[in-house]
Amino acid sequence: DIQMTQSPSSLSAYVGDRVTITCRASQNIINYLNWYQQKPGKAPKLLIYAASSLQSGVPSRFSGGGSGTDFTLTIGDLQPEDFATYYCQQSYNTPRTFGQGTKVEIK
Amino acid sequence: EVQLVQSGAEVKQPGESLRISCKGSGYSFTSYWINWVRQMPGKGLEWMGTIDPSDSYTIYSPSFQGHVAISADKSISTAYLQWSSLKASDTAMYFCARRRPVDGSVYYDYWGQGTLVTVSS
Repeated sequence: DIQMTQSPSSLSAYVGDRVTITCRASQNIINYLNWYQQKPGKAPKLLIYAASSLQSGVPSRFSGGGSGTDFTLTIGDLQPEDFATYYCQQSYNTPRTFGQGTKVEIK
Repeated sequence: EVQLVQSGAEVKQPGESLRISCKGSGYSFTSYWINWVRQMPGKGLEWMGTIDPSDSYTIYSPSFQGHVAISADKSISTAYLQWSSLKASDTAMYFCARRRPVDGSVYYDYWGQGTLVTVSS
């Protein structure tokens, strides 16, 4: 199985901050990397697919980058509704493993 | 409008069997694979497996192979996740999600609302 490791596990930030979350794969996954946002009690929501493609309807303050084994999710100008847990997921092969999650909290 | 609607919360005893469902609407059900994802209380997301509703071909995560069964009935646009003998450790929220292929990769663009399964004596 491909292991996905996110960092940090949690972070505190102010509204308006720029935040970056990192996801590292245990092997080369090219650009087969998705990012999801999950709020408490809700289903995950797709933000970014194929490492850097913004899902329709997702605000442009969300951006993704990287290739190979190292990827980033950046939230520019953090908004109150962005406080949530974020997960990366590799779609290179099965099982389609997720990172352990990064919780973004209000400072 | 694309929707995945899951069956309601379940409370079961250890050793009981259970089948939960995920009904798709607003799209061609046989054109997109359905995936199942587990989330244990306070924990992260775990990919369990996937099914092609057109022919019921399934792929399981090794972590779940033999513990659950995934099936689908394309005549009623519904996928299922089934246990023959539940354990307390099966207590979790279970999500179904639609797989969309793109340029050789895939992502999950629509999700069900989740089904909470509680196993307790």
